[in-house]
Amino acid sequence: EAQVTQNPRYLITVTGKKLTVTCSQNMNHEYMSWYRQDPGLGLRQIYYSMNVEVTDKGDVPEGYKVSRKEKRNFPLILESPSPNQTSLYFCASKSLDTDTQYFGPGTRLTVL
Amino acid sequence: GENVEQHPSTLSVQEGDSAVIKCTYSDSASNYFPWYKQELGKGPQLIIDIRSNVGEKKDQRIAVTLNKTAKHFSLHITETQPEDSAVYFCAASSGAGRRALTFGSGTRLQVQP
Repeated sequence: EAQVTQNPRYLITVTGKKLTVTCSQNMNHEYMSWYRQDPGLGLRQIYYSMNVEVTDKGDVPEGYKVSRKEKRNFPLILESPSPNQTSLYFCASKSLDTDTQYFGPGTRLTVL
Repeated sequence: GENVEQHPSTLSVQEGDSAVIKCTYSDSASNYFPWYKQELGKGPQLIIDIRSNVGEKKDQRIAVTLNKTAKHFSLHITETQPEDSAVYFCAASSGAGRRALTFGSGTRLQVQP
């Protein structure tokens, strides 16, 4: 089944404790992206990657890092999480030949 | 950058009625306009999209219209059913560069049985 998977689905952590949210897709998509969803703000792009070893900032990149060492994986790293990073995070992927983005199920992160 | 506004934020209709959600965008370079449905605990799922060279697109009970001059597009759901209850997001993209989707703030649709 073609899908985007994220882990963990739920995470509660404390300020300053490094964490990684994994994202993996099995559709051989070149493009991958991370969004955060906050009430009343829709989804905002954090980082994106056009292919392996190619990453760039989205609209709200502060406090986040990403890496793209393999085509299928695109982890989101919070090196020193803060409470304002409490949010619902979505990973998405698509082929460069199309516009349709496929989203993962989401990761709900709470930073205390 | 692109800015997408979406209205209403909540919408309640009776089963069988129609529902309309409206979005406006700011960047005249945007040429791709998808609509996503998000059910509780799930990621957004594409339900229909339209490109700037088309004025209207229909897929069974859902349709999207685009007015490029006015920079607005709308989602129409006819004969609504309880399973249509969800949060709907519009988005816009220029398709160039980072191909980012700029999302509206979402509409929570509740279909009353």
